[in-house]
Amino acid sequence: AQSVAQPEDQVNVAEGNPLTVKCTYSVSGNPYLFWYVQYPNRGLQFLLKYITGDNLVKGSYGFEAEFNKSQTSFHLKKPSALVSDSALYFCAVRDPGSARQLTFGSGTQLTVLP
Amino acid sequence: DAGITQSPRYKITETGRQVTLMCHQTWSHSYMFWYRQDLGHGLRLIYYSAAADITDKGEVPDGYVVSRSKTENFPLTLESATRSQTSVYFCASRGQGPNTGELFFGEGSRLTVL
Repeated sequence: AQSVAQPEDQVNVAEGNPLTVKCTYSVSGNPYLFWYVQYPNRGLQFLLKYITGDNLVKGSYGFEAEFNKSQTSFHLKKPSALVSDSALYFCAVRDPGSARQLTFGSGTQLTVLP
Repeated sequence: DAGITQSPRYKITETGRQVTLMCHQTWSHSYMFWYRQDLGHGLRLIYYSAAADITDKGEVPDGYVVSRSKTENFPLTLESATRSQTSVYFCASRGQGPNTGELFFGEGSRLTVL
């Protein structure tokens, strides 16, 4: 079975401060991990993914995420938040050893305060 | 412009009526997906298709029917709509090959069942 948890429904951060959106996962093997962002009344947009290799993955709009196998985490980070980063963020996982497709977390609403 | 389009964007219907949500992609992607988005649940997979004439159930398939007679189209039908099917529905696609590829999402179809 595969699952992903986003423990925070809401994250607030001041503009210019670093931000972290948390994600933990559960799969039986090595995971494929993804982050997506959703702006109001829009579809999800791909931000970044971890498949293999370097644990620090860089993606769109200055976002990065760190894969931590021992903690089964894949937290999304950005060194300096912008008001325009305010959106709904989804973590997703896939177990490549199974026939299952991508499983999404419940989402974290990020609000960057000016 | 190439992409993935959903129609209608907004639909209000009554309990017991049949509703079809359309999805069209211009990339010739092999895989297509239907997700529903509900508060607190994130995105849940309804059905997916690996190619024309090949479909498979996702996490929440009950009450839904899909078909894929052409690669570019993947309609989702609610044969007898229920209030619990009030949701935002997203269609997505990805290419053939290693399942490491990211999904591309449509803008969503907001369905209200009265």
